[in-house]
Amino acid sequence: ETGVTQSPTHLIKTRGQQVTLRCSSQSGHNTVSWYQQALGQGPQFIFQYYREEENGRGNFPPRFSGLQFPNYSSELNVNALELDDSALYLCASSLEPGQSFYGYTFGSGTRLTVV
Amino acid sequence: GQQVMQIPQYQHVQEGEDFTTYCNSSTTLSNIQWYKQRPGGHPVFLIQLVKSGEVKKQKRLTFQFGEAKKNSSLHITATQTTDVGTYFCAGAKYSSASKIIFGSGTRLSIRP
Repeated sequence: ETGVTQSPTHLIKTRGQQVTLRCSSQSGHNTVSWYQQALGQGPQFIFQYYREEENGRGNFPPRFSGLQFPNYSSELNVNALELDDSALYLCASSLEPGQSFYGYTFGSGTRLTVV
Repeated sequence: GQQVMQIPQYQHVQEGEDFTTYCNSSTTLSNIQWYKQRPGGHPVFLIQLVKSGEVKKQKRLTFQFGEAKKNSSLHITATQTTDVGTYFCAGAKYSSASKIIFGSGTRLSIRP
């Protein structure tokens, strides 16, 4: 049991639409990071949330936005979907920002297909 | 920007043979982590290395962190079919600890 829950597991959207992905972090973890993983590639860092604020961002455009709630769960929102946004979106929770001895705990991901 | 490269991209070995993947960063890392992702699965944390020159072992897996903290390696002795998957290194610069950058990964497949 991973401890990190993501929903939905699969999603098909049309180009130009908006999507919201959700993540419940592992119990006791206050930091959530989001990654995009294209097929056959390594996870690409989108952003991290800590104490309900963005705590670092990768090279993704502003149409990728997020939220973290008081219970440490998080949302990833993507506006104006493009075909290249098709990927596995991974949520990872951790005890603290940055790298820790216990590493990141990843959820099973949301497979987004944009058509 | 910061880049983390891994080689080889793919490795196909006979069961029982050894396997090594190498990770190289363009910048000095504060520490490095290794993850394994099974086909169709999600990354699972294996280990973290912090000190320059550090070596850690987990059964048949040996992890090394370079003296300059810019490179790392994972060596698996006598591979088994359960070792199949993609192995990723992940690191961050001291100045942006929250931005964990993953390498491109090495996909290991094994002939029984």
